[in-house]
Amino acid sequence: GQSLEQPSEVTAVEGAIVQINCTYQTSGFYGLSWYQQHDGGAPTFLSYNALDGLEETGRFSSFLSRSDSYGYLLLQELQMKDSASYFCAVSTNAGKSTFGDGTTLTVKP
Amino acid sequence: DAGVTQSPTHLIKTRGQQVTLRCSPKSGHDTVSWYQQALGQGPQFIFQYYEEEERQRGNFPDRFSGHQFPNYSSELNVNALLLGDSALYLCASSLLRDSYTGELFFGEGSRLTVL
Repeated sequence: GQSLEQPSEVTAVEGAIVQINCTYQTSGFYGLSWYQQHDGGAPTFLSYNALDGLEETGRFSSFLSRSDSYGYLLLQELQMKDSASYFCAVSTNAGKSTFGDGTTLTVKP
Repeated sequence: DAGVTQSPTHLIKTRGQQVTLRCSPKSGHDTVSWYQQALGQGPQFIFQYYEEEERQRGNFPDRFSGHQFPNYSSELNVNALLLGDSALYLCASSLLRDSYTGELFFGEGSRLTVL
């Protein structure tokens, strides 16, 4: 089966940088994705890593270490609108995505 | 270009009843996955449909069943509802190849309350 661990809550101030970690255990690992979900809304895809290293998309970056079964999402220049839940998800070679329980990010002025 | 649409958005049922939730995938997508998201938790995989067949299934009882139609739209049926079935039910669409890269497009969900 699959299991993922990520912190339940993170708080940061506007303009700061925050890192949300994710460790996973899975068979048939294919890649690690990150999603953002605002209260009651649809999860939206942020990024995907299949290979080790850092992927940058604007203010958001995502990192993967396959040997450590570890990844993180880095959010820079935090804005109030970044307050949301962030989920890491592992995709397997069967094409299935399993999600963690999410990290609630609160951005304070 | 319409994204993923789900209906109904909210519904209330009583224990023992049956419910059908509907999903229209994003235009051009051929694969639909259903997830259950309880309050404060991550989406839990129920099953995935491709070419009108169930490709994969998560750890959900047989009370949960689904269907995919030739136009790629999908239904999720839950029989003999339990209080614990109260949750947000999310539909995610993708091309089959993109389901491997985890790039799923989610609908806003159907919020089911079982009394």
